Amino acid sequence: EAGVAQSPRYKIIEKRQSVAFWCNPISGHATLYWYQQILGQGPKLLIQFQNNGVVDDSQLPKDRFSAERLKGVDSTLKIQPAKLEDSAVYLCASSLDREWNNYGYTFGSGTRLTVV
Amino acid sequence: AQSVSQHNHHVILSEAASLELGCNYSYGGTVNLFWYVQYPGQHLQLLLKYFSGDPLVKGIKGFEAEFIKSKFSFNLRKPSVQWSDTAEYFCAVMDTGRRALTFGSGTRLQVQP
Repeated sequence: EAGVAQSPRYKIIEKRQSVAFWCNPISGHATLYWYQQILGQGPKLLIQFQNNGVVDDSQLPKDRFSAERLKGVDSTLKIQPAKLEDSAVYLCASSLDREWNNYGYTFGSGTRLTVV
Repeated sequence: AQSVSQHNHHVILSEAASLELGCNYSYGGTVNLFWYVQYPGQHLQLLLKYFSGDPLVKGIKGFEAEFIKSKFSFNLRKPSVQWSDTAEYFCAVMDTGRRALTFGSGTRLQVQP
């Protein structure tokens, strides 16, 4: 099966600009996650969707970050305006709940964002 | 809130040496525990997981981990590392309710030929 697709792979923007990342999970995976991985740190959960509803966005900086999964399939994460400290890899992951015990998450390759 | 501590930030070993990476977590409820690996330029991959049962779990590529509930630990081991094991290793804990992972800060393993 195809993996979790993310685009773009790399993005360089100036501070105060806006940027959007796209994620297409594995077909049929109801749960979708966005993680932020700053260099030298482990991934940190930003937001979790179950189908098109938000399960947890407690660590999403809502003054500048937004995410949506309108049709319960692919998702977009946006940053507006970007700050230097947003430089990180943004990872998308998905899971098939009824087979969670066997497979857990599948991660995408991520989008590396550099804010200059 | 749950948290994960990985005490070794950077480990350098020679091929054939034994490996043990420490992981401690704090969480009061039922947890699932994971080790993920990230090879240079690649995405995170699951090495092994513990949900319940035998506290000694075996994963891919000869890795194993032992869950010690009394010590809140889930250390990763491999008897003999190879150069191809050079990667970053992340321990993670999941609360069974939300199924969201909390990761440690990672350990960079460098295996010298």
